[in-house]
Amino acid sequence: DVKVTQSSRYLVKRTGEKVFLECVQDMDHENMFWYRQDPGLGLRLIYFSYDVKMKEKGDIPEGYSVSREKKERFSLILESASTNQTSMYLCASSLWRGDLNTGELFFGEGSRLTVL
Amino acid sequence: EDKVVQSPLSLVVHEGDTVTLNCSYEVTNFRSLLWYKQEKKAPTFLFMLTSSGIEKKSGRLSSILDKKELFSILNITATQTGDSAVYLCAVTSGTYKYIFGTGTRLKVLA
Repeated sequence: DVKVTQSSRYLVKRTGEKVFLECVQDMDHENMFWYRQDPGLGLRLIYFSYDVKMKEKGDIPEGYSVSREKKERFSLILESASTNQTSMYLCASSLWRGDLNTGELFFGEGSRLTVL
Repeated sequence: EDKVVQSPLSLVVHEGDTVTLNCSYEVTNFRSLLWYKQEKKAPTFLFMLTSSGIEKKSGRLSSILDKKELFSILNITATQTGDSAVYLCAVTSGTYKYIFGTGTRLKVLA
């Protein structure tokens, strides 16, 4: 059974703390994504990666960074957490299909982050 | 700017009713349209549509795409309380881009 695993389901952090969200996929997918999901705003792309050590900014990258040192692992880093980063964070992966990306996105269970 | 709009925003029905969820899009370089169901946790995949007019079906759920009018519908017949969820529509554009709508929240009452 294919799987995207996010290391933490629930986190509570204080303003200014550094936060790491880890995501691992076992499907040998090239593409990995980090989204945040907020009521009324839907899923918004923070960053994505199409290969090891490669990353591209999404729609809302400010305040976030990412790391992809191995194909199966994609980490989201909040250098200094702020209250407006309280959200549900979803990791996803998809298979590279040449120059066509019609492929299904596989999601992790989500990490609900609360910043106090 | 690429956008995906879902309607209605929310819907309350009784078990046994049939519902139709709508997804319209304005996206450059359209590749595919995907439907997901999200309960308390990760969105789960329902359908991927790439061609106009071809219905995809899975049990009581079905979906169709109209690439001329730029929309898709998701039908659920004989609804059950287990169908209560947020239904997400996403359109893929270019190589990596997935554009999501804000979702339709469906509540099915017993």
